[in-house]
Amino acid sequence: DARVTQTPRHKVTEMGQEVTMRCQPILGHNTVFWYRQTMMQGLELLAYFRNRAPLDDSGMPKDRFSAEMPDATLATLKIQPSEPRDSAVYFCASGLVTGGADTQYFGPGTRLTVL
Amino acid sequence: AQKITQTQPGMFVQEKEAVTLDCTYDTSDQSYGLFWYKQPSSGEMIFLIYQGSYDEQNATEGRYSLNFQKARKSANLVISASQLGDSAMYFCAMRKGSYGKLTFGQGTILTVHP
Repeated sequence: DARVTQTPRHKVTEMGQEVTMRCQPILGHNTVFWYRQTMMQGLELLAYFRNRAPLDDSGMPKDRFSAEMPDATLATLKIQPSEPRDSAVYFCASGLVTGGADTQYFGPGTRLTVL
Repeated sequence: AQKITQTQPGMFVQEKEAVTLDCTYDTSDQSYGLFWYKQPSSGEMIFLIYQGSYDEQNATEGRYSLNFQKARKSANLVISASQLGDSAMYFCAMRKGSYGKLTFGQGTILTVHP
């Protein structure tokens, strides 16, 4: 049963600390997405990779957030320095684009609390 | 810009009954995809069903069907024979083209009563 995995599942940190979230996409998938879910904003895209290349990070605060794919099996989202307003659930999703449309499968999410 | 609207903050249904969750969208694109996801209290996002804008038939997946009315720009989710485990938040989402980011609605909380 192929699934997207995310670590850690929960993270509590203090303001100013660095936070790194990791995602392992489904093996063979070639698109990876990072979404953030908050009560106020709902679900919004932070970054999007295809074949490991960043295609869209317009939703990501560039001064403190960074997203990378060091290899096809790992995507990372880093916040440095973290702020209380970054408290949210961060989802990673992966999909496979071939000739037709892809479907995005979500990981379980990382619940981040910044004190 | 794309926009997804889910006008029902909450819905209630009796177990074994059918329920329709509304979703309307706004886009000027000809090619797009429509999705429904379920988010139970555990927080995970579970893919339910997909409809492409060029698909002529409504999508179905088990007890889930998508009532796609292109001219009205609606993509309602129909759940037949509701079960207690269907109680969750349901999100409608749209994607421009064949791949890329999803734009989500605000969600509808469905409660299934025994």
